[in-house]
Amino acid sequence: AQTVTQSQPEMSVQEAETVTLSCTYDTSESNYYLFWYKQPPSRQMILVIRQEAYKQQNATENRFSVNFQKAAKSFSLKISDSQLGDTAMYFCASTNNAGNMLTFGGGTRLMVKP
Amino acid sequence: GAVVSQHPSWVICKSGTSVKIECRSLDFQATTMFWYRQFPKQSLMLMATSNEGSKATYEQGVEKDKFLINHASLTLSTLTVTSAHPEDSSFYICSASIGQGRVSDTQYFGPGTRLTVL
Repeated sequence: AQTVTQSQPEMSVQEAETVTLSCTYDTSESNYYLFWYKQPPSRQMILVIRQEAYKQQNATENRFSVNFQKAAKSFSLKISDSQLGDTAMYFCASTNNAGNMLTFGGGTRLMVKP
Repeated sequence: GAVVSQHPSWVICKSGTSVKIECRSLDFQATTMFWYRQFPKQSLMLMATSNEGSKATYEQGVEKDKFLINHASLTLSTLTVTSAHPEDSSFYICSASIGQGRVSDTQYFGPGTRLTVL
């Protein structure tokens, strides 16, 4: 079974600063995908970034980047130049090899302070 | 593009009532739709995967007779909570994908439906 762990239930950051959200996972799969999703107060889930496990290059999406450490099974999300609109719950998730199971972490509540 | 809607956004019903939740992909055809459940301050739990024209695949522990899923067209999937009870109260979220039915495909999420069973 896959498990995804987000060890930081809550975090805060000052506007314009950088913050890193942690995520570790445990899987026996050889190929899988990792995701970070954002859920703002509206509760609409939004895909932030997607990483394929067989790609060594860390995915980036504008101000969002990941540090993917496959051997350590770590997949942290770095948000640069934090904006007030980044305030949300952030969920890390992983799939299995067959692509028929998506497991979410418990989430990290991020508050960006003005 | 890639907008997914859900209706209703919030429904309150009496125990024993069956409630239908609709999930629509508004500007694309979704080969696969996923249904999730989210309890307050908790993460999302995948309930089932549905492909257009075929039976849904339910995750372990999810009662298929309790949560009926119909995916009649490429733009519409419905989740019916049959004989709802207070413990079914939750936030139900659907997502749609144009991929090959894998959760690893990019999913576009709906805004969710809050179900409150009295």
